[in-house]
Amino acid sequence: AQSVTQPDIHITVSEGASLELRCNYSYGATPYLFWYVQSPGQGLQLLLKYFSGDTLVQGIKGFEAEFKRSQSSFNLRKPSVHWSDAAEYFCAQGDSSYKLIFGSGTRLLVRP
Amino acid sequence: EPEVTQTPSHQVTQMGQEVILRCVPISNHLYFYWYRQILGQKVEFLVSFYNNEISEKSEIFDDQFSVERPDGSNFTLKIRSTKLEDSAMYFCASSPEGFISGNTIYFGEGSWLTVV
Repeated sequence: AQSVTQPDIHITVSEGASLELRCNYSYGATPYLFWYVQSPGQGLQLLLKYFSGDTLVQGIKGFEAEFKRSQSSFNLRKPSVHWSDAAEYFCAQGDSSYKLIFGSGTRLLVRP
Repeated sequence: EPEVTQTPSHQVTQMGQEVILRCVPISNHLYFYWYRQILGQKVEFLVSFYNNEISEKSEIFDDQFSVERPDGSNFTLKIRSTKLEDSAMYFCASSPEGFISGNTIYFGEGSWLTVV
């Protein structure tokens, strides 16, 4: 069965510092990969997605992610974190039946 | 921008009671989903619905759960006899056609269900 791994449960960064959240997916010839963000008590907002083509995808709020097939990874990055970025981040993979498989999430804390 | 809307935002119910969570998917979407997130845990797939029938369900989606699209706009999740472990955030989602065309899944704000 497909699975998505987010190895970091929590990450703390200082405001203004760069950020990288890790995500590994299990398999898929053409993986459909997504990053969602969830603020406390809120729903899931799509940050970006990768289906094919350019392996570096740009998303909202200044986020980007890079697809690396050789590493089965789809890491999320942001060059300069803002306090408002503190939230839970979920990586997800779409499967052949058009549903999403989510990772366990990474909670981002931003230090002033 | 079109949204998936869910009601209620929060419901408290007694164990053993029936609960219906309601969702209005985005109007031209064809795939509908329910996901669940127990507090502090990851988002889990419950069921997908396409062409007026269940297309896939997880092992979580047992006989106490059912889904319905009663009137062409609403999409409901019914939990027949709630248990304490059903306490969770329930997300409704919809998608135009699946992923192949570059589409994505859009989520509602969620319905918090607390079973006491």
